[in-house]
This record gives sequence, structure tokens and C-alpha cells, in this order.
Amino acid sequence: GAGVSQTPSNKVTEKGKYVELRCDPISGHTALYWYRQSLGQGPEFLIYFQGTGAADDSGLPNDRFFAVRPEGSVSTLKIQRTERGDSAVYLCASSSGTSGRRDTQYFGPGTRLTVL
Amino acid sequence: SQQGEEDPQALSIQEGENATMNCSYKTSINNLQWYRQNSGRGLVHLILIRSNEREKHSGRLRVTLDTSKKSSSLLITASRAADTASYFCATLGGAGGTSYGKLTFGQGTILTVHP
Repeated sequence: GAGVSQTPSNKVTEKGKYVELRCDPISGHTALYWYRQSLGQGPEFLIYFQGTGAADDSGLPNDRFFAVRPEGSVSTLKIQRTERGDSAVYLCASSSGTSGRRDTQYFGPGTRLTVL
Repeated sequence: SQQGEEDPQALSIQEGENATMNCSYKTSINNLQWYRQNSGRGLVHLILIRSNEREKHSGRLRVTLDTSKKSSSLLITASRAADTASYFCATLGGAGGTSYGKLTFGQGTILTVHP
């Protein structure tokens, strides 16, 4: 079946602008995760959804970052007043949720965000 | 700071040789996972080892876990040029942790396999 998809694959924006990044998880997966990966680093956790609710948003760096998952499927990561330091690859992952947090997470191809 | 630290940061070998990558972590874990990443994009899950397991195999992959030393190793046997990629270990926190669903990744090992 289809894997996790993310759109757009690349996004270039100017400092101060607002951006939205979309994630379509694997069909039926109840858990969804957002990570951010800077060049030469491993991914860093941002937020985790179980169904429609954010179960853990401890990784969001500040209040410019917000994520929603209104119907428990597609999720949107929203970044306000973008800064050059926000440039990174934003990765989304989903898991079935049947074994709770021990499920394997399946990653999408990521969105490369560049803030000029 | 990263929970997992991979060693070495970069590894260059010839096709047919074995590649060993190590990972250390700091806090208690539920499980440890290894991922592969090509060209800085999507991560592919390779193998998961639970905290009560010591060794696991999957094809040409062998993973060991030593919870007393808080370390793991990934061995790729008979490497191929197609194995060239970055490899990351990631830990899922132990019981009672606040990091319920999050994976904590290391900085990765860049593996280059020369034909």
C-alpha cells in the first residue's frame, strides 16, 4: 500500500513568511509524528499525535510552530514568522498505534524548507 | 543534546567487507531501532531490538544491545555498494518517561561502500 506522503517536497520562503507543511500518513495509522532534521544531524522530535489530539508536543521549539490533525488522518505543521534557523528537512512518520508507543514508525520523504 | 551517539561518524569500506557501527545512549529505554537514510531524505526502518533482548538478526544485519553499557552495535555483513547511506540509531524511552511516543536519534554514521 501507499506509504507516508509529504507535500511539498521542497519549499523556499522568505524570512517572516508563514508556511504550512502537509503529511498524509499510512491509511489506518492512528499515531503520527513530526521530526525536524538539520544538515548533518539526526532527526529531532517535534510533536506526536494519537488520533486527533497532540499527545506530546514537547519538541516544538517555540510558539511559532503549531500542528493540527483535525480528523485524525492528515496533519499540517504550521510555522509562523519563519526564521533562517527554521531551514531543515521536516519529516513525518506514522505508526499503527495498535501496540501503543512501541510500534514501528514509518517515515515519509520529508519536506525540505529553506528560509531565505 | 542527542540521546544516541553513533561511532564512527563516517566509515569507508570495500564491497564484501563487514561494516560495524556503534551507538551509545544515556537513559533507560524501551527499545532501540536502527534506520537508514539515503540522500538526507526519508528514513527506512531496518531493525528493532527490545530492552530485554541481546541480539537480533535480519538478513545481512545483526544488532546487539548491551543495556548495562547503554550501547548497541549494527553489523552489516558482506556489504554492497547499495548499502551506501547514513545509518541512525534511535531510542524509545523506558517506562515512566515523559517522552511517550518520541524516538530520540543519534547523529548518524555515514557509510560508503566502494565497488
